[in-house]
Amino acid sequence: QKEVEQNSGPLSVPEGAIASLNCTYSDRVSQSFFWYRQYSGKSPELIMSIYSNGDKEDGRFTAQLNKASQYVSLLIRDSQPSDSATYLCAPQRGSQGNLIFGKGTKLSVKP
Amino acid sequence: KAGVTQTPRYLIKTRGQQVTLSCSPISGHRSVSWYQQTPGQGLQFLFEYFSETQRNKGNFPGRFSGRQFSNSRSEMNVSTLELGDSALYLCASSLVMGGVFAEAFFGQGTRLTVV
Repeated sequence: QKEVEQNSGPLSVPEGAIASLNCTYSDRVSQSFFWYRQYSGKSPELIMSIYSNGDKEDGRFTAQLNKASQYVSLLIRDSQPSDSATYLCAPQRGSQGNLIFGKGTKLSVKP
Repeated sequence: KAGVTQTPRYLIKTRGQQVTLSCSPISGHRSVSWYQQTPGQGLQFLFEYFSETQRNKGNFPGRFSGRQFSNSRSEMNVSTLELGDSALYLCASSLVMGGVFAEAFFGQGTRLTVV
């Protein structure tokens, strides 16, 4: 089993719709969970972090975490063409500085 | 507040040569991690340094090495370059509080092309 699994996409949604990105992880010791956005040719940009089970909202973004199911998701409401990018899920053990990344989901928001 | 700075941004090297990449973390961040990103393999962890000590290492050959200085700046070195080493090399820094690592922030990366 891969450590972090994400649907590679591409996930295509119309402008204004909700985009739902999913991620499962295998390391049960993971305590922190991060979502990064990466535009083509650019470096990853941190957009959300979540540490506890449940939902965390920040503007148009909502992260959801279920540690029992080893599942984390990111919802993007009112999707905009500027949200078109690859979204990377990265769990982390609190005692370690490195992140293990999924392959990422490519999101395309059509005007 | 200045972000993570990586130099150089672009590099072209010949097979067999060696290369050194530099990373200056955000002020106060003592943890620096390095990643290699290629289209086929995605983002792969190379190594992580904290307080000048390598704490974790990914599954890369010994040609890949690194170090961290007392001011938390880090360098990574790749010796005997191969064509497959062509990639975007990313550095990320984290604040560490009470032994717990906070969010990691990435630099712009160094695009290495081996010809």
